[in-house]
Amino acid sequence: GAVVSQHPSRVICKSGTSVKIECRSLDFQATTMFWYRQFPKQSLMLMATSNEGSKATYEQGVEKDKFLINHASLTLSTLTVTSAHPEDSSFYICSARDRGEDHQPQHFGDGTRLSIL
Amino acid sequence: GQNIDQPTEMTATEGAIVQINCTYQTSGFNGLFWYQQHAGEAPTFLSYNVLDGLEEKGRFSSFLSRSKGYSYLLLKELQMKDSASYLCAVVDSNYQLIWGAGTKLIIKP
Repeated sequence: GAVVSQHPSRVICKSGTSVKIECRSLDFQATTMFWYRQFPKQSLMLMATSNEGSKATYEQGVEKDKFLINHASLTLSTLTVTSAHPEDSSFYICSARDRGEDHQPQHFGDGTRLSIL
Repeated sequence: GQNIDQPTEMTATEGAIVQINCTYQTSGFNGLFWYQQHAGEAPTFLSYNVLDGLEEKGRFSSFLSRSKGYSYLLLKELQMKDSASYLCAVVDSNYQLIWGAGTKLIIKP
């Protein structure tokens, strides 16, 4: 089945550091990738929708200058958390949908646990 | 507004059957997904329903009634490894996924 690779799986860093998370679709082309954040014991919260070759669409309340998204190819999207602070500590998950398959399930990466000290 | 409702938590016994309900009110409907999420892990796909009726897949079955805005996930012969959160998600008219808050299922021996 379709595989989405997310890297790194865990990051621990100091406050003020910028952190980049990569999301790759390994065996399919994904024109759209999704970035989610999940706090403990809460459901997934969509942060932004990443579209290949165009600007990402951010959900209300998500700062686009803080969470930079780049979707430069059909298989790679990156999320950069700029100048991260302890309140940004969370579980970040990407997902991707096969090109042209709106009714297909999103395939999720394994997630990145970000801890800001 | 768009809304997905599912119980916060359920408890069941190993070997038994449990039904997790999901009701939704969305702008349009293009299908409903069920995902399983173990603690600390990403969600994994369980089922997809777009037509009314029951879809069976091994120990798991999913039911949809579009007229009632209702779905359920049925888990049979429960195993301890089924302890997880179960997420209901609806695809709206813009093909965006609207997520429920998830149901935490606790399996007891």
